[in-house]
Amino acid sequence: TQLLEQSPQFLSIQEGENLTVYCNSSSVFSSLQWYRQEPGEGPVLLVTVVTGGEVKKLKRLTFQFGDARKDSSLHITAAQPGDTGLYLCAGGNTGGFKTIFGAGTRLFVKA
Amino acid sequence: DAMVIQNPRYQVTQFGKPVTLSCSQTLNHNVMYWYQQKSSQAPKLLFHYYDKDFNNEADTPDNFQSRRPNTSFCFLDIRSPGLGDAAMYLCATSRGAIPTGTNYGYTFGSGTRLTVV
Repeated sequence: TQLLEQSPQFLSIQEGENLTVYCNSSSVFSSLQWYRQEPGEGPVLLVTVVTGGEVKKLKRLTFQFGDARKDSSLHITAAQPGDTGLYLCAGGNTGGFKTIFGAGTRLFVKA
Repeated sequence: DAMVIQNPRYQVTQFGKPVTLSCSQTLNHNVMYWYQQKSSQAPKLLFHYYDKDFNNEADTPDNFQSRRPNTSFCFLDIRSPGLGDAAMYLCATSRGAIPTGTNYGYTFGSGTRLTVV
């Protein structure tokens, strides 16, 4: 059974700080996504990575896929209160339909 | 705007009373999914439809059923809700199976929060 573990579970930081959250698995994924979910809403796709070692940037967010495609990280520079939310990583394999989700990192950025 | 819409946003049902949650999409995506998300837990796939082809996850209880009358609509039926079924139910869509490229991801609705009393 493929599992994704995310750490930390909770993170509370001050506005302007940097942070990194992690997504780890013992399984290889051909595709990994990061979503952000706000309270009472559905997750919103941030990025998809597919190549080992790939780095993608989305404004202040930097996503990295591990060389072995088993892990990923999300780094936020100069966090803002608008970054508050639940960050979910999700992985799947080519040709399949099932996407496995991690339990998420709940981020709170204080003004 | 193309989107995924779930109704209702909040549903309160009585223990054992059948309930139906609905999902519609204007994306014309082939695949529709139902996920169950409990507090502090990962969203858990219940089943998905690829066009009219229904695919149930092995550990989805028989209490959960689904219907997809056409491309745009998909329903989640809970035949006899128990207290343990209280959760956020998320509908998602995708164009097809997971491809080799990066042009992939789910579009989620806003979810239906189900309370069982």
